[in-house]
Amino acid sequence: GNSVTQMEGPVTLSEEAFLTINCTYTATGYPSLFWYVQYPGEGLQLLLKATKADDKGSNKGFEATYRKETTSFHLEKGSVQVSDSAVYFCALRAYTGGFKTIFGAGTRLFVKA
Amino acid sequence: EAGVTQFPSHSVIEKGQTVTLRCDPISGHDNLYWYRRVMGKEIKFLLHFVKESKQDESGMPNNRFLAERTGGTYSTLKVQPAELEDSGVYFCASSHTSGGIVETQYFGPGTRLLVL
Repeated sequence: GNSVTQMEGPVTLSEEAFLTINCTYTATGYPSLFWYVQYPGEGLQLLLKATKADDKGSNKGFEATYRKETTSFHLEKGSVQVSDSAVYFCALRAYTGGFKTIFGAGTRLFVKA
Repeated sequence: EAGVTQFPSHSVIEKGQTVTLRCDPISGHDNLYWYRRVMGKEIKFLLHFVKESKQDESGMPNNRFLAERTGGTYSTLKVQPAELEDSGVYFCASSHTSGGIVETQYFGPGTRLLVL
């Protein structure tokens, strides 16, 4: 079945450090891939998405590239800020009789000033 | 444009009681989904409505959970009787279908349920 695996947290970084959160997936067919973010006390927000191989999603300085050959969708940011502290979820959506989203377990990021 | 809203934001109940969660999707979105995140684990799919019909309810854990979407607008998720393991965050999401393509799901803020 379809599944998403992302690196366990928490990840603790200093401000302006480089961020990578690894995400790999297993899916039949051609899934769309997503990163969602949940800031403290808030709901899930779509951060970025990619719908086909080699697409790069980007938003707020975050980027992720859909790599079909390695079944990966790693999240990167060149210089994190304290305000980026949140839980990040990698997810996929593929048609399996419906369009439910399959999520990874989430990675908590702490950014220190 | 208003986003997906959920009520209540928090609920604390005792084991054996009943709780009803409500979700109001974005206006015009035919697709409505329920998900939950239990004990800091991954967010898991519960079910999917298309308008008022249940398209996929494969994620519903057991018959203590009942979801409805009368009239194809808002949805309720009732847990009766609640058990300790039902504690978690319940998310609702909605999306639009255009030209046969289901578009991006937009999530609500979630309802944090604690069963004591």
